[in-house]
Amino acid sequence: AQKITQTQPGMFVQEKEAVTLDCTYDTSDQSYGLFWYKQPSSGEMIFLIYQGSYDEQNATEGRYSLNFQKARKSANLVISASQLGDSAMYFCAMRVSSNDYKLSFGAGTTVTVRA
Amino acid sequence: DTGVSQDPRHKITKRGQNVTFRCDPISEHNRLYWYRQTLGQGPEFLTYFQNEAQLEKSRLLSDRFSAERPKGSFSTLEIQRTEQGDSAMYLCASSSSYNEQFFGPGTRLTVL
Repeated sequence: AQKITQTQPGMFVQEKEAVTLDCTYDTSDQSYGLFWYKQPSSGEMIFLIYQGSYDEQNATEGRYSLNFQKARKSANLVISASQLGDSAMYFCAMRVSSNDYKLSFGAGTTVTVRA
Repeated sequence: DTGVSQDPRHKITKRGQNVTFRCDPISEHNRLYWYRQTLGQGPEFLTYFQNEAQLEKSRLLSDRFSAERPKGSFSTLEIQRTEQGDSAMYLCASSSSYNEQFFGPGTRLTVL
């Protein structure tokens, strides 16, 4: 079974600063993918970024980057230049094997951006 | 591309009643997923369709739950004889490849 761990229940960050959200995972599969989603208070899950286990480069999407450390089984999300609109719950998720598309999610981290 | 849509957005029902939710995936997405999310937790996988075939069901999906995807387009999730423990957000997602899943706004169910 695969498991995602997010150890930070909540974080505060000052506007315009960067914040790192931790995510560690556990799987025996060699082929897997890691996702980050944002869930604002409205409830919708917004896809942010994806990293495949065989990708050599760390994924980046605008202000989001994924710090992928395969040997440590970590996939931390870095949000640069935080904005007030970044205040939300953030979930790390994983799918394993090329034939199993379902996602397993962590418990999430609440980010609050202060002006 | 209008995104994944779900209907209704909110549903309040009395214990013992049946409810049905609908999900319309992004057009041409052949994979469709249902998840359930309770307060303060991450979503949990319920079931998965590839086209019209239901390929996997979680053990969370008791006999009171049934999902369909006729003709491989929209999907419905029905809960029979609802219980208070069924109160949750029900999320639908769709994808066309392994490196994406796009979620709808969810249906929030409250069972009184």
